[in-house]
Amino acid sequence: AQSVSQHNHHVILSEAASLELGCNYSYGGTVNLFWYVQYPGQHLQLLLKYFSGDPLVKGIKGFEAEFIKSKFSFNLRKPSVQWSDTAEYFCAPHDYKLSFGAGYNQAGTALIFGKGTTLSVSS
Amino acid sequence: NAGVTQTPKFQVLKTGQSMTLQCAQDMNHEYMSWYRQDPGMGLRLIHYSVGAGITDQGEVPNGYNVSRSTTEDFPLRLLSAAPSQTSVYFCASSQRTSGTTDTQYFGPGTRLTVL
Repeated sequence: AQSVSQHNHHVILSEAASLELGCNYSYGGTVNLFWYVQYPGQHLQLLLKYFSGDPLVKGIKGFEAEFIKSKFSFNLRKPSVQWSDTAEYFCAPHDYKLSFGAGYNQAGTALIFGKGTTLSVSS
Repeated sequence: NAGVTQTPKFQVLKTGQSMTLQCAQDMNHEYMSWYRQDPGMGLRLIHYSVGAGITDQGEVPNGYNVSRSTTEDFPLRLLSAAPSQTSVYFCASSQRTSGTTDTQYFGPGTRLTVL
């Protein structure tokens, strides 16, 4: 089964500082990877995703992440953070699951979330 | 489209009470799931469904039941609430595409307190 580790529990930065949040996953096969963000009091929103192709993916609000298969990593980066980036960030690789019902197989997917990294940006 | 909706937003229960958390989506998504979010634990998968009539257990299914009679709705039932079930519950849905994983869309959450 898939598992995920986020290395930083709480990161405190000043505005304009660079950001890198670590994420490592365990499953070595074909893997789809996501970063979600949760702003204070809001629900989760997709930041970026990797399915295949260019290992450097760009997301919303200037965020990017690099998929390094040999290191089982998918680290999130932003060159210059803003106060509005204060939020909790979750790395989420997919966990391919099979489900059986009504005499046929159906493949489903679920995301396995890391414990999250709280980012606090001071102005 | 309203996306993924959840009701209620807040709920307080006493130990042993039962209740149903509602989740609905209007995007014709096949795949729906329930997560609970606890401080320092991230989100953990409770139950999921790959289509109407098909449900399966996630990481932390004990104490919860689900059913999927329609594509749109995926209610989560607590049969006998316990304080350990105090959490924020999120419902999510995605359009399952063969061979790929589509983006999951999350509802606004239900904050449940069990006394």
